[in-house]
Amino acid sequence: EAQVTQNPRYLITVTGKKLTVTCSQNMNHEYMSWYRQDPGLGLRQIYYSMNVEVTDKGDVPEGYKVSRKEKRNFPLILESPSPNQTSLYFCASSLKGSGFYNEQFFGPGTRLTVL
Amino acid sequence: GENVEQHPSTLSVQEGDSAVIKCTYSDSASNYFPWYKQELGKRPQLIIDIRSNVGEKKDQRIAVTLNKTAKHFSLHITETQPEDSAVYFCAATHFSGGYNKLIFGAGTRLAVHP
Repeated sequence: EAQVTQNPRYLITVTGKKLTVTCSQNMNHEYMSWYRQDPGLGLRQIYYSMNVEVTDKGDVPEGYKVSRKEKRNFPLILESPSPNQTSLYFCASSLKGSGFYNEQFFGPGTRLTVL
Repeated sequence: GENVEQHPSTLSVQEGDSAVIKCTYSDSASNYFPWYKQELGKRPQLIIDIRSNVGEKKDQRIAVTLNKTAKHFSLHITETQPEDSAVYFCAATHFSGGYNKLIFGAGTRLAVHP
């Protein structure tokens, strides 16, 4: 089944404790992206990757890191989480970029709480 | 920066009525406008999209209209059903850094009452 998976789905942690949220897709998509969803703010892009070893900042990259060593995986790293990073996180992928014929497929989401 | 404004933020209708959600965008070069539906606790999923060279697109009970001159587009749902209850997000492309990225609206929470 073609899909985007994320782990963990739920995470409660404390300020300053490094964490990684994994994202994997099995559709051979070149483009992958991370979003955070907060009430009243919609989906805001954190980082994106056009292909292996190619990553760039989105609109809200502060406090986050990513890597793209393999085409299928795009982990999100929080080196020192803070309470303002409490949010619902979605990974997404598409064949190329974000235009027509490039539907973005979303993962199931990771709800992160930083105490 | 570029942005997409979405209205209303909440919408409540009776089953069978129509629902309309409106979005405006700021980038005149935007050329692709998808709509995503997010049911409670689920991931966003694409329900309909439209390109800039088309003014209207319909798929059963849902339709999207686009007015490029005014830079706004709308989602129309007719004969609403309880299963239409969800959060709906509009989005528009913005070309930056060599590729098209999606800018999302803040979302509309639609409640359809039986």
